[in-house]
Amino acid sequence: QVQLQESGPGLVKPSETLSLTCTVSGGSVSGGGYYWSWIRQPPGKGLEWIGYIYYSANTNYNPSLKSRVTISVDTSKNQFSLKLNSVTAADTAVYYCARAAASTVGLDYWGRGTLVTVSS
Amino acid sequence: QSALTQPPSASGSLGQSVTISCTGTSSDVGFYNYVSWYQQHPGKAPKLMIYEVSKRSSGVPDRFSGSKSGNTASLIVSGLQAEDEADYYCSSYAGSNNLVFGGGTKLTVL
Repeated sequence: QVQLQESGPGLVKPSETLSLTCTVSGGSVSGGGYYWSWIRQPPGKGLEWIGYIYYSANTNYNPSLKSRVTISVDTSKNQFSLKLNSVTAADTAVYYCARAAASTVGLDYWGRGTLVTVSS
Repeated sequence: QSALTQPPSASGSLGQSVTISCTGTSSDVGFYNYVSWYQQHPGKAPKLMIYEVSKRSSGVPDRFSGSKSGNTASLIVSGLQAEDEADYYCSSYAGSNNLVFGGGTKLTVL
């Protein structure tokens, strides 16, 4: 059974960098066939795809966030990470990590999510 | 890329059927058969219900089904049960390795 768990600071100051890590168990981030993804959900609002990493090095980002986002992977720890720089209050959201099968693009396993608040 | 369009709300009585629509464009929903549907209960992570337009994810009751016509995909929930009350989101592959979500539909079971 694949499990994902987000971790990182729950409070980030405006203009700083939001950094989150997703630890994967029951599956490998270094194997092919899966897109390791980040999605966010502002309070009371809908889901927004942030981006994903696949084959341990290839990344793709939401065009609206592309200039501020970096997703990377640490295969030794079976983790992948999100960095979002120059944050504002609009980046306050629950951040989810998830796995998508490359063959279906369906996000079949999700973490429980972590709330990140941007505030001074 | 723009978000897919879903009605903000939908409702149906216990035992009845309800359909939730998801409208995109000829560049996403209309072009690719990679439409997924997710169910989200309050305070919980989304759960994959349907993928590739009409395939049910493991363990999903056959009361849930999906279809697509042109640029619009639909989620059909038949035999509504109380536990089906939740938010539902569609998503679609949008080309160039991009993914786009719908704005979500709150389903109320009367």
